[in-house]
Amino acid sequence: DGGITQSPKYLFRKEGQNVTLSCEQNLNHDAMYWYRQDPGQGLRLIYYSQIVNDFQKGDIAEGYSVSREKKESFPLTVTSAQKNPTAFYLCASSIGRGENTIYFGEGSWLTVV
Amino acid sequence: GESVGLHLPTLSVQEGDNSIINCAYSNSASDYFIWYKQESGKGPQFIIDIRSNMDKRQGQRVTVLLNKTVKHLSLQIAATQPGDSAVYFCAENSLATDKLIFGTGTRLQVFP
Repeated sequence: DGGITQSPKYLFRKEGQNVTLSCEQNLNHDAMYWYRQDPGQGLRLIYYSQIVNDFQKGDIAEGYSVSREKKESFPLTVTSAQKNPTAFYLCASSIGRGENTIYFGEGSWLTVV
Repeated sequence: GESVGLHLPTLSVQEGDNSIINCAYSNSASDYFIWYKQESGKGPQFIIDIRSNMDKRQGQRVTVLLNKTVKHLSLQIAATQPGDSAVYFCAENSLATDKLIFGTGTRLQVFP
């Protein structure tokens, strides 16, 4: 099946640890995105990438890092510098930036314990 | 998993009735709009989109209306079903800024 696969679905992190969320897509999309979702709020853009080996900061990039070594993969690392990392993280992709529909993965829940 | 829509505005409708979900967008330069449906604990699903050169677009049981004069977008769901219960988000994009902006969402609850 074509789509966007995020893993793990649930992740628990101790304070001070870095964690990496995986995102893989087989849609042959050029653009990929990471969003954060908190209760009662809309989606906020963390990072996005339009092509391999290139990515840009979104609105809330502090405390996060990404890489785009392959077209299919866009992993997100939540670093210990992120002060409030507990949230629902959504990976997405689109054919390109601009007037293109963004399609989402099923999300990953990160909880700091 | 924890709900991502604990404090959202809620629309409650009876099964079989029509639902209208509204969205006010912020950027008068926005020229592309999307509606998403998000079920509890899942990622948003694309429902329907509309470009700014249109004021209405219909899909299967859904219609999106765009009023650029007052920067208002609405999603109409005909014959609402229990499976329509979810949080609905509108999103706007602008070629000028190339940035997709999401609304905070509306929770739709369908009662039998």
